[in-house]
Amino acid sequence: AQSVTQPDIHITVSEGASLELRCNYSYGATPYLFWYVQSPGQGLQLLLKYFSGDTLVQGIKGFEAEFKRSQSSFNLRKPSVHWSDAAEYFCAVARGANNLFFGTGTRLTVIP
Amino acid sequence: DGGITQSPKYLFRKEGQNVTLSCEQNLNHDAMYWYRQDPGQGLRLIYYSQIVNDFQKGDIAEGYSVSREKKESFPLTVTSAQKNPTAFYLCASSTGLGGDTQYFGPGTRLTVL
Repeated sequence: AQSVTQPDIHITVSEGASLELRCNYSYGATPYLFWYVQSPGQGLQLLLKYFSGDTLVQGIKGFEAEFKRSQSSFNLRKPSVHWSDAAEYFCAVARGANNLFFGTGTRLTVIP
Repeated sequence: DGGITQSPKYLFRKEGQNVTLSCEQNLNHDAMYWYRQDPGQGLRLIYYSQIVNDFQKGDIAEGYSVSREKKESFPLTVTSAQKNPTAFYLCASSTGLGGDTQYFGPGTRLTVL
């Protein structure tokens, strides 16, 4: 069965520092993988997605993610975090009928 | 502007009452979805619909019902059979094609008193 694990519940970084949020998936075939961001009390916004091809995916707001099949990972990165990046981040894998299975999320706090 | 609207943003109900959450989209998407979000549990799929007049149960459908009479609308009813209905509810839509992006509404926070 498909599953997604986000091992970090909460991460705190300083503004301007680099960021990496971890995501591990379990899926039999080549997965469709997504990263979404959610500000408090809001809906989710897509940051980026991976279907196939180039394993390094560029997204909005300066984010990127790298698909590593050998490690079953799809980690999200940003070279320099801004205070406005504070939010909750969700990794998701697509399963049959285009449903998404979400990880439990990582809350990001940015300190000045 | 195209998008998904959910209303109301906050909803309060007494225990034992049914309540219906609205979800409307003008993106001309075929597929629509309802998720429930609880702290520390991410999003869990309640129901989804790939086409008008058809819908399927998701992972946590017990205590919920839906209808899909129009392409634009996918209302969710939280029934009295749902044991713990207080949560944040998110509606989403997509073209329905494999792996396509799901677009989310702003959510409805339901509190049962």
